[in-house]
Amino acid sequence: EIVLTQSPDTLSLSPGERAALSCRSSQSVRSSSLAWYQQKPGQGPRLLIFDVSSRATGIPERFSGSGSGTDFTLTINTLEAEDFAVYFCQQYGTSPRTFGGGTKVEIK
Amino acid sequence: QVQLQESGPGLVKPSETLSLTCSVPSDSINAYSWTWIRQTAGKGLEWIGRVYGSVLADYNPSLKSRVTMSVDTSESQVSLKLTSVTAADTGMYYCGRDANSWTGYVKYWGQGTLVTVSA
Repeated sequence: EIVLTQSPDTLSLSPGERAALSCRSSQSVRSSSLAWYQQKPGQGPRLLIFDVSSRATGIPERFSGSGSGTDFTLTINTLEAEDFAVYFCQQYGTSPRTFGGGTKVEIK
Repeated sequence: QVQLQESGPGLVKPSETLSLTCSVPSDSINAYSWTWIRQTAGKGLEWIGRVYGSVLADYNPSLKSRVTMSVDTSESQVSLKLTSVTAADTGMYYCGRDANSWTGYVKYWGQGTLVTVSA
């Protein structure tokens, strides 16, 4: 199965700063089939990005995804208070679908 | 916003069968594939599998021998059964609606239901 490795484990930033989260795949992700989710305590994950760079409905423009092959990045421009959460990447081009271990974005 | 609600026993004994249901909108149950995902202390987010009507059931090979998913159109429910559970199956279980029937990212997630495996 494809293993996704996210880094860093934790990112300590202040509101207004920019966050760059990495997701690396053990194999090339087929058909740009990579998504990003946000999870806050006590909640189920929420879809942010699909197909590497497409924002889901209602997701602010400060969230953007990029990358190809085995290296992908989620960028959050100008962090706002509600953005401090855990972020996961997922590949869905090959079964079984797999998730990364997550990056926690915390307030510095 | 699509509302999904997982339900089932919060406590299951080792070696028994875990049975969960997910109530989904009746007007979309046959139009999308439905996914089960769990979040455990040991493995983080783990894709269990997905089902699309009676046409498709795709399971994680690591769980395939123990998993069955099905769709009940009359009850507007998607179900998950996991047999022979152990403590390693303890975690939060989520159902999700995929973006459509052929792609595998989850567009809408339930709130999840906590399952503990313990005697």
